[in-house]
Amino acid sequence: NAGVMQNPRHLVRRRGQEARLRCSPMKGHSHVYWYRQLPEEGLKFMVYLQKENIIDESGMPKERFSAEFPKEGPSILRIQQVVRGDSAAYFCASSPPGALSQRGTEAFFGQGTRLTVV
Amino acid sequence: KNQVEQSPQSLIILEGKNCTLQCNYTVSPFSNLRWYKQDTGRGPVSLTIMTFSENTKSNGRYTATLDADTKQSSLHITASQLSDSASYICVVISQAGTALIFGKGTTLSVSS
Repeated sequence: NAGVMQNPRHLVRRRGQEARLRCSPMKGHSHVYWYRQLPEEGLKFMVYLQKENIIDESGMPKERFSAEFPKEGPSILRIQQVVRGDSAAYFCASSPPGALSQRGTEAFFGQGTRLTVV
Repeated sequence: KNQVEQSPQSLIILEGKNCTLQCNYTVSPFSNLRWYKQDTGRGPVSLTIMTFSENTKSNGRYTATLDADTKQSSLHITASQLSDSASYICVVISQAGTALIFGKGTTLSVSS
């Protein structure tokens, strides 16, 4: 059972371009979470998705950022018109059905995508 | 103010020594607390999960404690190894929360 797969591992974009980050959850996991980690900072929650639904996007910037988790295929985090401040590591986690507030629900993280905006 | 505060920010110890990392949180109502290990350039990996009713949880050389009354947790690492060098992150989930709330982590360096 492969772990959470994120690609690309490293992504370089020029200011104004679009960045697409992909996350394939573990087999059997229907919940996906995206987190952003700035240098010297902790991971910050961005968005929580289930298949074809956005459950909580309270951590997502209102402009330029969007996320989807289609019925088929990976979850996509899309950043339009990137700026230097978007440079960060973006981590995806997946979990089986069940709230994280339940002790038995474990979230597994991918290796992250490191976005550099030049 | 961050809802999860960790100390120290960084720590250097000699191989074979023990160390204790601290975590204070203000998340309420509280559901469970997790400690993660994050190697440089990698994603976080779970070490322990504790609910408010659990005081101690061990995973090999890692022992986590929780005092839900004072909202404090600690992670004790016994007989440290070079491979323990990493960031150790305290993560808290509220009862109604859908997201993990991360501390900034303690960077541990184990030297020979």
